[in-house]
Amino acid sequence: DTVLTQSPALAVSPGERVTISCRASESVSTLMHWYQQKPGQQPTLLIYLASNLESGVPARFSGSGSGTDFTLTIDPVEADDTATYYCQQSWNELTFGSGTKLEIK
Amino acid sequence: QVQLKETGPGLVQPTQTLSITCTVSGFSLTSYYMQWVRQTPGKGLEWMGFIRSGGSTEYNSEFKSRLSISRDTSKNQVFLKMNSLKTEDTGVYYCARAPSGSWGWFAYWGQGTLVTVSS
Repeated sequence: DTVLTQSPALAVSPGERVTISCRASESVSTLMHWYQQKPGQQPTLLIYLASNLESGVPARFSGSGSGTDFTLTIDPVEADDTATYYCQQSWNELTFGSGTKLEIK
Repeated sequence: QVQLKETGPGLVQPTQTLSITCTVSGFSLTSYYMQWVRQTPGKGLEWMGFIRSGGSTEYNSEFKSRLSISRDTSKNQVFLKMNSLKTEDTGVYYCARAPSGSWGWFAYWGQGTLVTVSS
């Protein structure tokens, strides 16, 4: 299986720029996707194919990367962005990262 | 408007079989891949498998021996059945729809159904 590694948690202040990273155990080309999950809710798609913004998602969210290293950027961060963010690859079966919990101070 | 809703038993005894129904609206099951994903305290988010728009299925190797996904297009329903349940299978089970023309990510999700495996 392709293992995706994410930092467990981050804390930033509103208005700042935050980058959330995801590292794959092998190259997944650009077959990487990002989700936001708020407590008690289902995940929602933010970014697909590494850098494509899902319809309806604010332009404050962006994605980049290819191969094994990927980044989700939120700029500027808002209080409502408090959530856990997951990466997911579709190169080899489908696997998810363990999530990065984002706290807005 | 795309909607997905899971309906499950809530509580299942160990060794028993789990059955969950996903009822969809706003699109046709014959046009999209439908996926199942679960979220457990032990392993987080796990892809379980999908049923293609044409009706064939693909499963995560971890669940292949005990998982079955099927559908009834006339009722707009997709079904998950998993046998030999263990306490580690406790979690929230989601159905999700793939985007148009692809299958590798999850564009729409149901709200999930909580399954507790306990005697």
